Amino acid sequence: QQQVKQSPQSLIVQKGGISIINCAYENTAFDYFPWYQQFPGKGPALLIAIRPDVSEKKEGRFTISFNKSAKQFSLHIMDSQPGDSATYFCAASRADSWGKLQFGAGTQVVVTP
Amino acid sequence: DGGITQSPKYLFRKEGQNVTLSCEQNLNHDAMYWYRQDPGQGLRLIYYSQIVNDFQKGDIAEGYSVSREKKESFPLTVTSAQKNPTAFYLCASSIRQGIEAFFGQGTRLTVV
Repeated sequence: QQQVKQSPQSLIVQKGGISIINCAYENTAFDYFPWYQQFPGKGPALLIAIRPDVSEKKEGRFTISFNKSAKQFSLHIMDSQPGDSATYFCAASRADSWGKLQFGAGTQVVVTP
Repeated sequence: DGGITQSPKYLFRKEGQNVTLSCEQNLNHDAMYWYRQDPGQGLRLIYYSQIVNDFQKGDIAEGYSVSREKKESFPLTVTSAQKNPTAFYLCASSIRQGIEAFFGQGTRLTVV
């Protein structure tokens, strides 16, 4: 069974709008939550990551919000641009797992001009 | 440039054949991983290796085999026992104590 549940499957947003992707997990041993961005035919690239000791992390137009009690975390893409059109994956792992990640199913984001 | 190189980019296999996908890294990372990606399913872990000459099964290891004879290399063999091998295969690596995984550009395998 999937240990990390991601929604929505796809998202269309206008240029300048906000894209929001949500993820939920069950395993309370997870302590590292990265988001990866993937363009068609390419490997995923790390976008931003958070640990459960903080509730929010911002890097440029990308923000992760983390709710430890609800076991949920989300990615917000502010001022979305056509170049942000990609598939986004949330993931989770444990500190002792050496990068062994459990991935969500992915969200395809399309930003219209 | 440091990074992970996967080859070939595209691979076609006849049913009943074994094929080997190459993964090489020059990041001096101890750990290496193989993931499989299918549409709408995210990435699933096939095998991983934390050190040379040692590797462990991931979530979907059946029909696959790996070797880790050198720190830089972690080839994946898709055997004829893998019933549905058509997929996008991704290799990744991470440093010993770190948990950020770096990915290669992938190999798309198609059974014809």
